[in-house]
Amino acid sequence: AQKVTQAQTEISVVEKEDVTLDCVYETRDTTYYLFWYKQPPSGELVFLIRRNSFDEQNEISGRYSWNFQKSTSSFNFTITASQVVDSAVYFCALTSNNAGNMLTFGGGTRLMVKP
Amino acid sequence: EADIYQTPRYLVIGTGKKITLECSQTMGHDKMYWYQQDPGMELHLIHYSYGVNSTEKGDLSSESTVSRIRTEHFPLTLESARPSHTSQYLCASSLTSSGRADEQFFGPGTRLTVL
Repeated sequence: AQKVTQAQTEISVVEKEDVTLDCVYETRDTTYYLFWYKQPPSGELVFLIRRNSFDEQNEISGRYSWNFQKSTSSFNFTITASQVVDSAVYFCALTSNNAGNMLTFGGGTRLMVKP
Repeated sequence: EADIYQTPRYLVIGTGKKITLECSQTMGHDKMYWYQQDPGMELHLIHYSYGVNSTEKGDLSSESTVSRIRTEHFPLTLESARPSHTSQYLCASSLTSSGRADEQFFGPGTRLTVL
C-alpha cells in the first residue's frame, strides 16, 4: 500500500517569509512518481510538478523549489518570499506503475500568507 | 491550461432528487476520475475509467454511478441525493503514456449541497 503524509495541516506566514511544506511518502515500488498540486480558494487543483523516483535532482521554478530525498522518503516544497496569492491548500501525491497510476494524496496543507 | 469542464459549479437540491454532475475534457485523455473532497480537505477517489465502456469503483465507497460512453464525457449520477452526499466533487483526466505516470488535470469542481 502507498501512503503520503503531510504532517502540517495549516501554516500561517507573513508575506515575504520563506515557507517549506513537508511531504513524506511510503511505497514498496522502485519506480514511482511524486506530484505537488495547488488548490486555490476557487477550488480546482492546479498541477505544479512531477518527479520520478530516478531523478533526485532538485528543481527550482521561480519562487518555488522542490527537494526530493529518497533516503528520507521526502519531497518537500519551498516557497521563497511568499505572497498573498500563494494562499491555498497544497497537496502532495504519489503513484507508481504498479498502482495503475492511481494517485494517493496526502491530507493537504493549508497555507495562509498574511500581508 | 487544462481543458476539462464541470457543470454545474454549484448545486443546491432537496433530498431524494436525482442529479447528474457533468464532466467533459477536450484533451483526448483516455483516463478519467471522480474525487470527493471533504470540507476537511482530504481527497477520496470514488470512480475512475480507463477508457470508453470502462468504469471502476475507487477507494471510497460511493452511492453514485458513472458512465463512459464517449472518451470526452464522464458523468456522475446520484439516483437519490441525501444530505450525506453534500461535498465537493472533482473530475480529472490523464493520458496514458508508455512507461510513466502522467499528471492528472482537474476540473473546477462541483460543490453539491443536499438539504
